[in-house]
Amino acid sequence: QVQLVQSGAEVKKPGASVKVSCRASGYIFTDYSMHWVRQAPGQKLEWMGWTNAGNGNTEYSQGFQGRVTFTRDTSASTAYMELSSLRSEDMAIYYCVRGKDRTSWIFDYWGQGTLVTVSS
Amino acid sequence: DIVMTQSPDSLAVSLGERATINCKSSQSILKSSNNKNYLAWFQKNPGQPPKLLISWASARESGVPDRFSGSGSGTDFTLTISSLQAEDVAVYYCQQYYSPITFGQGTRLEIK
Repeated sequence: QVQLVQSGAEVKKPGASVKVSCRASGYIFTDYSMHWVRQAPGQKLEWMGWTNAGNGNTEYSQGFQGRVTFTRDTSASTAYMELSSLRSEDMAIYYCVRGKDRTSWIFDYWGQGTLVTVSS
Repeated sequence: DIVMTQSPDSLAVSLGERATINCKSSQSILKSSNNKNYLAWFQKNPGQPPKLLISWASARESGVPDRFSGSGSGTDFTLTISSLQAEDVAVYYCQQYYSPITFGQGTRLEIK
């Protein structure tokens, strides 16, 4: 069965960076797009961007341009999201989410979420 | 960005009764080239990630009970649960994937 297993909770200081991993299993990693979505306390779900599985290209949501980087290790079926220059507003649960095909923006499977706490 | 606004913010319905959740987009998410509405509905329970219920505004996902249905076009959409069950208590989100992706604020559904 399809599973997306994310790395554990993180506590970071303002200005630091965080890197969240998402290990996929139960499907061919390079056949499906991967998205990242976060939800801060009391806030809407917020799409951060995605990786086109077919060509590996990434697209970042405008609100995260310059601060977020998506990478992947296809041999390990693992996607990574790194967010830099953390501030208090970045405290949220971060999800990796699979798209229904290589270029799909329809989300069919979600990771369990990774809580990132930003505190001095 | 397209703003998605759900109504109501919370809703209490008796078991076996109909629940209706509305979602309005700030601009049309109907693509004329394929006549498809780029709208999905998710169900979220506490401590769990969201679960996809419906895509393309009305296409129910495999395994989703047929009491869940989606309707609407253009800018106005509705999720209907025809006969509320106890396990349907959750927060429901609409999402547009026309470009770029944005979500509604969520509607909390409870038992009356």
